[in-house]
Amino acid sequence: DAGVIQSPRHEVTEMGQEVTLRCKPISGHDYLFWYRQTMMRGLELLIYFNNNVPIDDSGMPEDRFSAKMPNASFSTLKIQPSEPRDSAVYFCASSLVTREQYFGPGTRLTVT
Amino acid sequence: AQSVTQLGSHVSVSEGALVLLRCNYSSSVPPYLFWYVQYPNQGLQLLLKYTTGATLVKGINGFEAEFKKSETSFHLTKPSAHMSDAAEYFCAVSRGTSYGKLTFGQGTILTVHP
Repeated sequence: DAGVIQSPRHEVTEMGQEVTLRCKPISGHDYLFWYRQTMMRGLELLIYFNNNVPIDDSGMPEDRFSAKMPNASFSTLKIQPSEPRDSAVYFCASSLVTREQYFGPGTRLTVT
Repeated sequence: AQSVTQLGSHVSVSEGALVLLRCNYSSSVPPYLFWYVQYPNQGLQLLLKYTTGATLVKGINGFEAEFKKSETSFHLTKPSAHMSDAAEYFCAVSRGTSYGKLTFGQGTILTVHP
């Protein structure tokens, strides 16, 4: 299996621009998670989906962040408008209900 | 609510020495427990997990961890460190006996000296 695929791997954008991060989970997995990792706050769960339905979005920092999962093989995390404090590494992970989470390689976002 | 505390943000050992990374958790119900490793510029990779059964669990790369309910601990050990073990290690706890939402510790950076 190819594992969890994330794109882009690196993103540099200016403050105020819209940013879209993409994730393709492992085929057959029914859970999908979005995390953010920073030096200051560590690894934070932003939102997770079960069978394409958002279950818990309590970690989404504010309304500028939104996530969708239109089908079982694709999810997006959008930031609009972006701010410098959104700079972080964003990870996507997927799992089966009875198995552990598998992480993607991450997207390093820099907002200038 | 569950939480995880990793004691020591940085641990340094010599090659061949014992590795001990500490993790304590709190959970209102019996949890599942995990250790993940993150190499530079990579995602997290599962090292080992405790769900039920034997409290001493073995993982990849010679690591093992012991679940001690009385101490609410899940410390990670390896008898002999290798240079390739240098990475950041994360302990995580589930919400109850499930693989769903995890709470991660702050991470411990392991440095291995020649």
